[in-house]
Amino acid sequence: KNQVEQSPQSLIILEGKNCTLQCNYTVSPFSNLRWYKQDTGRGPVSLTIMTFSENTKSNGRYTATLDADTKQSSLHITASQLSDSASYICVVGTASKLTFGTGTRLQVTL
Amino acid sequence: NAGVTQTPKFQVLKTGQSMTLQCAQDMNHNSMYWYRQDPGMGLRLIYYSASEGTTDKGEVPNGYNVSRLNKREFSLRLESAAPSQTSVYFCASRDQGAPYMGEQFFGPGTRLTVL
Repeated sequence: KNQVEQSPQSLIILEGKNCTLQCNYTVSPFSNLRWYKQDTGRGPVSLTIMTFSENTKSNGRYTATLDADTKQSSLHITASQLSDSASYICVVGTASKLTFGTGTRLQVTL
Repeated sequence: NAGVTQTPKFQVLKTGQSMTLQCAQDMNHNSMYWYRQDPGMGLRLIYYSASEGTTDKGEVPNGYNVSRLNKREFSLRLESAAPSQTSVYFCASRDQGAPYMGEQFFGPGTRLTVL
């Protein structure tokens, strides 16, 4: 069964600190991997999309990495801000389907 | 440019009642999607429409019907609501190209409770 597993389930960090979220997948045949940010009570918003040939992509303070050989991805957040508090969802796509992870809930505190 | 809009934002139904969730996009996108999001589970695709006039089942279509009214609008209908359909429903759209490639833009969601 194609799956996307994210860790940790939740995370609390102090404002200004960095953090890294993990995504492991078994989806095949791989086409693309996306990271979305979902604020409470809102729809997901795309942060990055990577294809097989890309191993890193940045969007401001967000940097995603992809290792297609080990089927792992990470999302690194630099110098966190209170507005980064949200759920971060990893999504892996094939040509015919998107499989969504359950998300990592990040809370940034003062 | 409002992006993807959904109505209503909240709805409470009794078992057996029917309702239609509305979705509209103003980005001239071809493909539109309906997902549901349940606690502890990733978003799951209910139905999608690759272009005006076409619709296809997703992962969890049972109990739902859809209509692609025109290029802008894609509605989701629950004919006889059941408590298992309590969920948050998201509509999404994307522009030209294969339906599962490229960026999808999501609406704000409809929170549905079936009693």
